[in-house]
Amino acid sequence: DQQVKQNSPSLSVQEGRISILNCDYTNSMFDYFLWYKKYPAEGPTFLISISSIKDKNEDGRFTVFLNKSAKHLSLHIVPSQPGDSAVYFCAASAPGYGGATNKLIFGTGTLLAVQP
Amino acid sequence: KAGVTQTPRYLIKTRGQQVTLSCSPISGHRSVSWYQQTPGQGLQFLFEYFSETQRNKGNFPGRFSGRQFSNSRSEMNVSTLELGDSALYLCASSATTTGVGQYFGPGTRLTVT
Repeated sequence: DQQVKQNSPSLSVQEGRISILNCDYTNSMFDYFLWYKKYPAEGPTFLISISSIKDKNEDGRFTVFLNKSAKHLSLHIVPSQPGDSAVYFCAASAPGYGGATNKLIFGTGTLLAVQP
Repeated sequence: KAGVTQTPRYLIKTRGQQVTLSCSPISGHRSVSWYQQTPGQGLQFLFEYFSETQRNKGNFPGRFSGRQFSNSRSEMNVSTLELGDSALYLCASSATTTGVGQYFGPGTRLTVT
């Protein structure tokens, strides 16, 4: 049962344009979402997160939008740069008795290629 | 501040053997989580330790075990290795237990032949 889904395995974008990466989830109990970027043979690097009580969080070129009614979140990167080329994972924090936990449930990832 | 370190970085083992992987968290972080990444299953949660106690566990067989020491360093052990255990094993540390601020190490690439 894939609770967190990234339906686009890959995305290609021109440098300077907007990259939009999408993620859907099924468990309405998730209350914390994160985006990670990963290069081959390295560990994931934390990018940005959002609590379920918010619908938007922004950090520099990265903005995450959360639509709880649709159980959908997206990561916007503006402007896109060639160095952004990597695999992007969305993750949800599995709920526990006291709220969000450190058990992350990951999507399958989207490979972003930013063309110069 | 030094990041999360994992040793060894690469490992080749034979079916039936056992293996121990080590993780040193960021200084001050008391939570350590382990994940397995494979091409077929993606990133999957193994377990989390906080203050030497296992807090959460994923859906892996009992061959996978872990522990945490008083200095927050953690080890995971896989016994009776199978070919399907070949994967990148990632460790993440955090100062909290609420999902925020988890930082990953570079991983240990385990190959089982």
